[in-house]
Amino acid sequence: AQRVTQPEKLLSVFKGAPVELKCNYSYSGSPELFWYVQYSRQRLQLLLRHISRESIKGFTADLNKGETSFHLKKPFAQEEDSAMYYCALLYGSGNTGKLIFGQGTTLQVKP
Amino acid sequence: NAGVTQTPKFRVLKTGQSMTLLCAQDMNHEYMYWYRQDPGMGLRLIHYSVGEGTTAKGEVPDGYNVSRLKKQNFLLGLESAAPSQTSVYFCASSSGLAGGQGEQFFGPGTRLTVL
Repeated sequence: AQRVTQPEKLLSVFKGAPVELKCNYSYSGSPELFWYVQYSRQRLQLLLRHISRESIKGFTADLNKGETSFHLKKPFAQEEDSAMYYCALLYGSGNTGKLIFGQGTTLQVKP
Repeated sequence: NAGVTQTPKFRVLKTGQSMTLLCAQDMNHEYMYWYRQDPGMGLRLIHYSVGEGTTAKGEVPDGYNVSRLKKQNFLLGLESAAPSQTSVYFCASSSGLAGGQGEQFFGPGTRLTVL
């Protein structure tokens, strides 16, 4: 069965420090992975997807099929990056657009 | 555009009461989803719909029913609320188009407490 695991509930770093939010997945098909972010008092929104290979707000994520991982990285954290981050996997047969989410990691960037 | 809206924002129910949560989207999206968010468990899919008049079960459908009578609306019903259904409920929609798979647009959430 498909599964997404984010091992850290809370990641606390100082401003300017590098950040890596971990995500591991289990899926028998060809994986499509996403990172979603929820800032305080805002809606959950898409941050980036592995297919587009973009860098959004300085964040990048590389799909590593060998390690079944999709870690989110940023070289220098900013206070405005403080938020809840969810890793998600597109799954299921047919064209349903279903996502399975990890448990979420709260990123706290201290001044 | 309002995007995805949810009604109500907050609700307190007693065990055994029923209620309906309304989700509306103005983006002409085909696909709609209902999730619940619980601490330490992330978002879990309750039910979803891939078009007007269609619904399907997600990961945790028990105790909930849904209807999609109009393309823009997706209703989530609790027939007999239980304390285990205390949660934050999120609605989302997606275009369903190739290249847009996995990009979902979320509502602001409904915080439900069942006493």
